[in-house]
This record gives sequence, C-alpha cells and structure tokens, in this order.
Amino acid sequence: GAGVSQSPRYKVAKRGQDVALRCDPISGHVSLFWYQQALGQGPEFLTYFQNEAQLDKSGLPSDRFFAERPEGSVSTLKIQRTQQEDSAVYLCASSLGPVGTLGNEQFFGPGTRLTVL
Amino acid sequence: AQKITQTQPGMFVQEKEAVTLDCTYDTSDQSYGLFWYKQPSSGEMIFLIYQGSYDEQNATEGRYSLNFQKARKSANLVISASQLGDSAMYFCAMGTGRGSYIPTFGRGTSLIVHP
Repeated sequence: GAGVSQSPRYKVAKRGQDVALRCDPISGHVSLFWYQQALGQGPEFLTYFQNEAQLDKSGLPSDRFFAERPEGSVSTLKIQRTQQEDSAVYLCASSLGPVGTLGNEQFFGPGTRLTVL
Repeated sequence: AQKITQTQPGMFVQEKEAVTLDCTYDTSDQSYGLFWYKQPSSGEMIFLIYQGSYDEQNATEGRYSLNFQKARKSANLVISASQLGDSAMYFCAMGTGRGSYIPTFGRGTSLIVHP
C-alpha cells in the first residue's frame, strides 16, 4: 500500500488481557515510531526502531509494553496485562531516513483505538 | 527539557478567511525543527509544514505558512483561504538534537471552519 497501515483499527480488551497491535510501514522506510495518544492530548513518543534495531524505548510507560520489528519492516506493539489507563489511540509512523536528521518527515498510520474495560 | 505550548484549545474561522494557530516552544538546543500536523476525525496525522531553526525564511507549503519568530520562540501556523476540509485538530511539534529530532507534540488546537 501507499501509506502506513495499522490493525486492528479498534480493539476492546478486558483488564488483564494481552493485546498485540500491528503496524505496516511504508515499504523501504528505515525508521518506525510508536506513539500513544490519550483523549484530548497530543501523541506521546513510546519507542523508535531503525530497521530491526530498537534504538530508543524511553517512552514505554512500563515493562508491560513491548515492541518488536524483527525483519525491519512490520512492527508489533504488545501490551501485557492491560490496565484501564492503557486506553488510548496507538499511532505508528515511519520515515525514510534514520532519526537524527532534521526535517525527516514522519508518515502516520490511522492508529489503533484501544479500550480497556 | 523541550516543551511545546498551544494555548488555543479551539478556534473558529469563516470559510475563505485566514486563521493563525499559535505555538510557542522552549528548548536550550540551538538546532531544532518545528513541525505542524493536521489530525482529522479519521485519526491519521498529516504532516503540513516544517521549519528548521537555522532557516532564515519562513516555511510555506501552499495555503500553509509558518510564522517563525526565533527570538520569541514562536512558530505560528497561518492557514490562508480556509476551506471546510480544514476542520481538524492541529498539532505543533518540535524535535531537537538531544531527542534525535523525534517530535514532542503540543496538546493541539481544534479548528472549525464554518460556511
């Protein structure tokens, strides 16, 4: 596809369940980012991959959050033992070049809206 | 630490008028980039415009221009000739060298364009 895709678009989980959110970046994009966007807020950075290497995971809120990008393309964000405060929209973005370059435009996917009951 | 402030939670503008969305930032880095994104109700963040801290001229992209005032640390977005399709959330973001230019976002401004 031409853009970044994410699945599922909506996910409802019971508290304590594990969830997995998928991101398909634009083909050939080196960088991949995950963000968490709470209602009424701007996106908050979670983690960054350059190809398959996770170079920055400083934004992950707890050790229940885990992300991977094993082959340098598709990425999965996994949340274990979900809590109500995990309810948010999870956005994925990709960019052509590595991070560290000014103006390296990020292309965002439509997001996954996670609701934890 | 870097910080982005958007003080206007909501703005209204009449179709075909121009509107300015405010953004101020705070950073001690000399090298940084400022971004504006649009987020319609579909949820996707759409990149609009970019300004580098060393760029001497204000960035422009079609109907979008960035009014960059470095001394005041402001990076306001100007949308000329508003269209109904411009109704959306608008986010200002900044990336600095310390964060490897990963954007930090403001809280956003909701823009409603009415006929």
